Amino acid sequence: DQQVKQNSPSLSVQEGRISILNCDYTNSMFDYFLWYKKYPAEGPTFLISISSIKDKNEDGRFTVFLNKSAKHLSLHIVPSQPGDSAVYFCAASTGGTSYGKLTFGQGTILTVHP
Amino acid sequence: KAGVTQTPRYLIKTRGQQVTLSCSPISGHRSVSWYQQTPGQGLQFLFEYFSETQRNKGNFPGRFSGRQFSNSRSEMNVSTLELGDSALYLCASTPGQSYGYTFGSGTRLTVV
Repeated sequence: DQQVKQNSPSLSVQEGRISILNCDYTNSMFDYFLWYKKYPAEGPTFLISISSIKDKNEDGRFTVFLNKSAKHLSLHIVPSQPGDSAVYFCAASTGGTSYGKLTFGQGTILTVHP
Repeated sequence: KAGVTQTPRYLIKTRGQQVTLSCSPISGHRSVSWYQQTPGQGLQFLFEYFSETQRNKGNFPGRFSGRQFSNSRSEMNVSTLELGDSALYLCASTPGQSYGYTFGSGTRLTVV
């Protein structure tokens, strides 16, 4: 039972354009969501997070949107840069004392072309 | 500031053996989590420790165990290794939920 799904295995965009990565979840108990970026042979790097009490959070070029009714979140990267090319994972937790248990999606490979 | 340090980086073991992996979290981080990453299953949660207590546990068999010491350093142990245990094992730490987790570079375990 995959509770967090990233249905697009890969995404290719041109440098300077917007990258939109999507994530769906099924567990309505999730109340905290995170996005991570991962390069080969490295651990994931935390990018941005959002609590279920919000519908948007921005940090520089990264914005995460949460649609609780649709159980959907997305990560927008504007403008996209070649250095953004990596695997992107969304993750979710049920919060409280369970915030340490993250459920990850399968990842989306983002390629930004110069 | 030092990041999350995992040792060793690479390990080759034989089926049936046991292995211990080590994780030193960022200073001041009391929550330490472990994950297994494989090509087929992605990133899967193993367990989380907070103040030397296992607070959360994933769906892994009892061969997978861990502990946390008073200085927040953590170890995970896998006994009676199977070929399917070959994976990248990642450790992560955080001072609290809103800070996100900082991951180490992982230990690549190969079981032959």
